[in-house]
Amino acid sequence: GAVVSQHPSWVICKSGTSVKIECRSLDFQATTMFWYRQFPKQSLMLMATSNEGSKATYEQGVEKDKFLINHASLTLSTLTVTSAHPEDSSFYICSASAGTGELFFGEGSRLTVL
Amino acid sequence: AQSVTQLDSHVSVSEGTPVLLRCNYSSSYSPSLFWYVQHPNKGLQLLLKYTSAATLVKGINGFEAEFKKSETSFHLTKPSAHMSDAAEYFCVVSLSNDYKLSFGAGTTVTVRA
Repeated sequence: GAVVSQHPSWVICKSGTSVKIECRSLDFQATTMFWYRQFPKQSLMLMATSNEGSKATYEQGVEKDKFLINHASLTLSTLTVTSAHPEDSSFYICSASAGTGELFFGEGSRLTVL
Repeated sequence: AQSVTQLDSHVSVSEGTPVLLRCNYSSSYSPSLFWYVQHPNKGLQLLLKYTSAATLVKGINGFEAEFKKSETSFHLTKPSAHMSDAAEYFCVVSLSNDYKLSFGAGTTVTVRA
C-alpha cells in the first residue's frame, strides 16, 4: 500500500521554541492531507485539513496561529507548533489521501515540550 | 452530522478465543466505515473498510466486520485471537465523498496467554 512518512518521530523541545513536523507521501501524490492530535489513551482529534497550494482549513477550537500548516507540494505537508508550551505535548499524526477513497496514516510524531 | 460509538473501551480475551469489538454509527448520508488498528506509539493501519458493496467485509489478519444498516452497527470480529492482536482499535466513519474522518473513542484489546 501507499506509504506516508512523518519526521521526526520523537522530538523534545524547550518551552517557547517552535517545532516543525513533516508529513510526506512517498509513493503517491496527495492533494489533501490531514493533521490529527492524539492525547494519551484517547482517540484522534482532527486538527486541520491541508490542501496543496491553498490555506489549511482548521477545525473549531484549533488555533491556526499556533499550529501553522503548509502544504507546499503534492507530497509534503508540514505542521509547525509555534511557541510550544507543555500543554502542546502530544502525539501528532498525519494522513494523506491518494484519491482512492482510502487514507494512509503516518507513523506519528511524539512532541514533548519541557 | 456523523459520529461513531465504540461500546467497549477495553476488551480482554484469551489467545485462541474469538474477539468482538462493537461499533455503532450515525450518519445522515451513506457512510463509509473503517476499522483501524494502532500499536503503541505507531500510526494507524487499515484493517478493513465498508463502502456500500458487500455487507460482510473481510480484512487483513483474519479480521472481518459486518455492516448492519438496520442496527447502524459495524462490529469487528476475529475467530481466534493472537498475541499480536493486542493493540488499540478505532472504528471510523466518513461521508462517502468526504475524506474527513470521525473516530470512535477506541477499544483497547489485551490478549492473555
